[in-house]
Amino acid sequence: GEDVEQSLFLSVREGDSSVINCTYTDSSSTYLYWYKQEPGAGLQLLTYIFSNMDMKQDQRLTVLLNKKDKHLSLRIADTQTGDSAIYFCAEDSNYQLIWGAGTKLIIKP
Amino acid sequence: GAGVSQSPSNKVTEKGKDVELRCDPISGHTALYWYRQSLGQGLEFLIYFQGNSAPDKSGLPSDRFSAERTGGSVSTLTIQRTQQEDSAVYLCASSAGAAKNIQYFGAGTRLSVL
Repeated sequence: GEDVEQSLFLSVREGDSSVINCTYTDSSSTYLYWYKQEPGAGLQLLTYIFSNMDMKQDQRLTVLLNKKDKHLSLRIADTQTGDSAIYFCAEDSNYQLIWGAGTKLIIKP
Repeated sequence: GAGVSQSPSNKVTEKGKDVELRCDPISGHTALYWYRQSLGQGLEFLIYFQGNSAPDKSGLPSDRFSAERTGGSVSTLTIQRTQQEDSAVYLCASSAGAAKNIQYFGAGTRLSVL
């Protein structure tokens, strides 16, 4: 069945890079997404990648896609306290999105 | 409007009462979604509207939950005879319904059932 899996927590030091990983199951997904949810707020689209791409870079964010292994990652360079949030991975499936449970990014000073 | 708007932002109700949650999607978006997010949990899909098609209600947890979308725009999620386990944040999203299915979210309604 369809399932998107993520680790629940990631702890990094301020200034280091954060890498959040995600595995998905639907090989027919066209786009894969990363959303960010800050405390008490709704979900904000961070970035997305087309399934025929391997990498997408947007300022401090780098998305890597390994379609063979159905593995998606989000790298945040120079992690700041403002990056503290829950990060959700999602794949599209027939005009709906299948969501991971979210990874809580914890920043240590 | 500029973004997805949800109201109320917070709702406290007594067990057994009915509640209505409102979502006003981005103008022109044909697809509208309702999700539920319980404390510390991911998103639970509830219902999906796309244009004039019959909604996908497969995520509604019980027949106490219903939703409608009037005129293809504003949607109301109704929970009848609320239970304590209904306490959660209810999130609404809309999308243009095109191949690139970017969903734009409202800030949610935090429902507390006492």
